[in-house]
Amino acid sequence: QSALTQEASVSGTVGQKVTLSCTGNNNNIGRYIVGWYQQISHDPPKTVMFGNSLPSGITDRFSGSRSGATAYLTISGLQPEDEGYYYCSTWDSSVSGWLFGGGTKVTVL
Amino acid sequence: QVQLVESGPGLVKPSETLALTCVVSGHSVSDDYYWAWIRQPPGKGLEWIGSIHYNENRYPTLRDSSLKSRVILLLDKSKNQLSLILTSVTAADTAVYYCVRLNGPSGSRYFGHWGQGTLVIVSS
Repeated sequence: QSALTQEASVSGTVGQKVTLSCTGNNNNIGRYIVGWYQQISHDPPKTVMFGNSLPSGITDRFSGSRSGATAYLTISGLQPEDEGYYYCSTWDSSVSGWLFGGGTKVTVL
Repeated sequence: QVQLVESGPGLVKPSETLALTCVVSGHSVSDDYYWAWIRQPPGKGLEWIGSIHYNENRYPTLRDSSLKSRVILLLDKSKNQLSLILTSVTAADTAVYYCVRLNGPSGSRYFGHWGQGTLVIVSS
């Protein structure tokens, strides 16, 4: 069981907006920025969000936010190429280490 | 643009020691960044192994508590590479191993640049 909790799966149709969540506590998400990582098929993960900031080259259909100890990744205007797994991660001060969520599988219907 | 290329033996026998290398280009490993190893067992999620900074006096080497006794992390400035050594491997260590550079200042760091990964299978 992962220390950060993510939905196992989320689905939507092309053009729809979907929101993924990542829940932790005040030792991790409540204190530090959250990174979001997209993994398509067997490719290496790609960083798509850190906090509420987009890395260079990442589409602005992605947006990030946080409320308390839960972080969110929203994909607006869902596209077929968005299908894959999304992992959240952040630092945890109680274990002095990095945590990952179990990952959310995004399916484009 | 930083590039990270991992390499390793591919196949390791149980109880033996695994050694992986990550060659870095586009940046020096002695720059002000943490470098990390992350792994992904087949069909599973991502697992942080550890992180290392060139300035170990200011930024300590960190390792996941479950692996701490078996993990050694090294930086080689002359070769501009980092290494992961994992001792007493078992089948549970079978995974794709990624080399990653962390971006951002302390308190706002995230995994910014990923290597392609290298598959390690532990089997007799």
